[in-house]
Amino acid sequence: EAEVAQSPRYKITEKSQAVAFWCDPISGHATLYWYRQILGQGPELLVQFQDESVVDDSQLPKDRFSAERLKGVDSTLKIQPAELGDSAMYLCASRQSGSQDTQYFGPGTRLTVL
Amino acid sequence: GESVGLHLPTLSVQEGDNSIINCAYSNSASDYFIWYKQESGKGPQFIIDIRSNMDKRQGQRVTVLLNKTVKHLSLQIAATQPGDSAVYFCAENPLAGRRALTFGSGTRLQVQP
Repeated sequence: EAEVAQSPRYKITEKSQAVAFWCDPISGHATLYWYRQILGQGPELLVQFQDESVVDDSQLPKDRFSAERLKGVDSTLKIQPAELGDSAMYLCASRQSGSQDTQYFGPGTRLTVL
Repeated sequence: GESVGLHLPTLSVQEGDNSIINCAYSNSASDYFIWYKQESGKGPQFIIDIRSNMDKRQGQRVTVLLNKTVKHLSLQIAATQPGDSAVYFCAENPLAGRRALTFGSGTRLQVQP
């Protein structure tokens, strides 16, 4: 069964350092999302891509976060510099275009900022 | 592994009983709803979905009910098993075309053997 892949699964970093997360969506899924999930809460959208284009980054803290999906397939989310409040689970999800609305999530990257 | 949702509402049931998890959604314009299951340290796993033109949808051991009048969604799990223990989130698609989900706060289901 096809799955969304993410790496690394866990990342520990010190504040002010740079971190990067990678996501490979299900093959053929044109829409890709990055969510952030703080412990005890539901995921919240950071950025949405349609192919290689950003369609919604209104909730992305652009002073320190950036995301790209250069070839419209895999994607990278970067934080620079990391802050203590960035500690969370970073989830990637993908969806087929068209009428299929179901989003499928990857296993996430657990970030701890010390 | 790390726990998801340390301070979430908790539903505790006996193995073999039926479970009902409730969710209130916020946007009357939402046209699509999904239930996800999230185990500790893992990403949300799709369980079942329903569109706003339906009141009920059944899957394997699970049923989702939608009451648009009061903006309420429920997930029924039949013959609950220990493997069903997890945090359950409902999610809504509030903006047609945007297709980014808004998640509820989640409920922890604990199944007692």
